[in-house]
Amino acid sequence: DGGITQSPKYLFRKEGQNVTLSCEQNLNHDAMYWYRQDPGQGLRLIYYSQIVNDFQKGDIAEGYSVSREKKESFPLTVTSAQKNPTAFYLCASSIDLRTSNNEQFFGPGTRLTVL
Amino acid sequence: AQRVTQPEKLLSVFKGAPVELKCNYSYSGSPELFWYVQYSRQRLQLLLRHISRESIKGFTADLNKGETSFHLKKPFAQEEDSAMYYCAPALIKAAGNKLTFGGGTRVLVKP
Repeated sequence: DGGITQSPKYLFRKEGQNVTLSCEQNLNHDAMYWYRQDPGQGLRLIYYSQIVNDFQKGDIAEGYSVSREKKESFPLTVTSAQKNPTAFYLCASSIDLRTSNNEQFFGPGTRLTVL
Repeated sequence: AQRVTQPEKLLSVFKGAPVELKCNYSYSGSPELFWYVQYSRQRLQLLLRHISRESIKGFTADLNKGETSFHLKKPFAQEEDSAMYYCAPALIKAAGNKLTFGGGTRVLVKP
């Protein structure tokens, strides 16, 4: 697959700790996204970024933070303020956010478990 | 508020039978519409988009603006169609084009 990678694949953390999930893409895409996937709820958008040094909150941003210092990287920090952090996290990228029919390319995901 | 509903969580059909996955949306504007698919042990990927009017792997999706639906259909299901399917409208705005995903429908095609 290549293109967009996420690490680690599995992550365990103790309650009260912050943890950062990595997302890297070599597709030269401007736009990047973070989703949370829970059974029966589909994907919910946490944060997205249209361009370097810019990002916006999605539908469920509380308890999360992001940065976009480089075009190819969009790390997500799950903070201790996130009340229910155990989930599967997906990162995606697309050429940009302005084209109406642009395709989003997804990473393999990171499964976070809070102990 | 924008909402996407996929009423069936699980669809189980026999090989060769038709399959239809329902998707209803409620948007204030005119969204672009996509179906994404996730096969076992693979990444989520685009299946088809309405704007392309395409048929992919035998699947087609019909937009019904009156009913605000974008159902996905295939006349003869194959075992390799077993997967999780997500309907995803995107409301195109100046601030950016964001997808909203439905809850997903798992399709199981039995031999």
